[in-house]
Amino acid sequence: KNEVEQSPQNLTAQEGEFITINCSYSVGISALHWLQQHPGGGIVSLFMLSSGKKKHGRLIATINIQEKHSSLHITASHPRDSAVYICAVRRTRDDKIIFGKGTRLHILP
Amino acid sequence: DAGITQSPRHKVTETGTPVTLRCHQTENHRYMYWYRQDPGHGLRLIHYSYGVKDTDKGEVSDGYSVSRSKTEDFLLTLESATSSQTSVYFCAISEPQGSEQFFGPGTRLTVL
Repeated sequence: KNEVEQSPQNLTAQEGEFITINCSYSVGISALHWLQQHPGGGIVSLFMLSSGKKKHGRLIATINIQEKHSSLHITASHPRDSAVYICAVRRTRDDKIIFGKGTRLHILP
Repeated sequence: DAGITQSPRHKVTETGTPVTLRCHQTENHRYMYWYRQDPGHGLRLIHYSYGVKDTDKGEVSDGYSVSRSKTEDFLLTLESATSSQTSVYFCAISEPQGSEQFFGPGTRLTVL
């Protein structure tokens, strides 16, 4: 079983919709990362969080340590948000970072 | 953007040939990582380095070796490339380990 699971795997939505991408993990962690990968491959770090919530522009990331769950929300989605969103956790026992398989998001104009 | 470059960006090679990929950083970060990315898998760690001449294996290290003779350069070598090593390879840096990672642009390697 993968230690980091994301859902959904693929998501298509209309421009303007509120988007939620979920990440569940089964190991002890000290931090969780959300990354964005655009077509063409570049990977950018969006958030690193260990508790609570962080907001940057139209992006909001939350984490519930007790439930081992994090969500990434996009408000007022736009076609330029189309990308693969990757959840990654820093595993406490060895400080290694483990990645989910990603959620492919497609926003239609 | 963090100063990370990878070379080459694309390479096609034949089975059995040696291949070396280079990651170069200008951020003076101590930690450097090599990942591979394949369809149906998340990013998987091949090797990482925690300082000059200090390296360790990741989860998919078989068939790969690394070297770090300078802080700014981390080399990944496939001694004898196989078709299963066709992948996109990403280098990343961080300071300290486990903190936010900054990724290079990736190298697409095809082994025929």
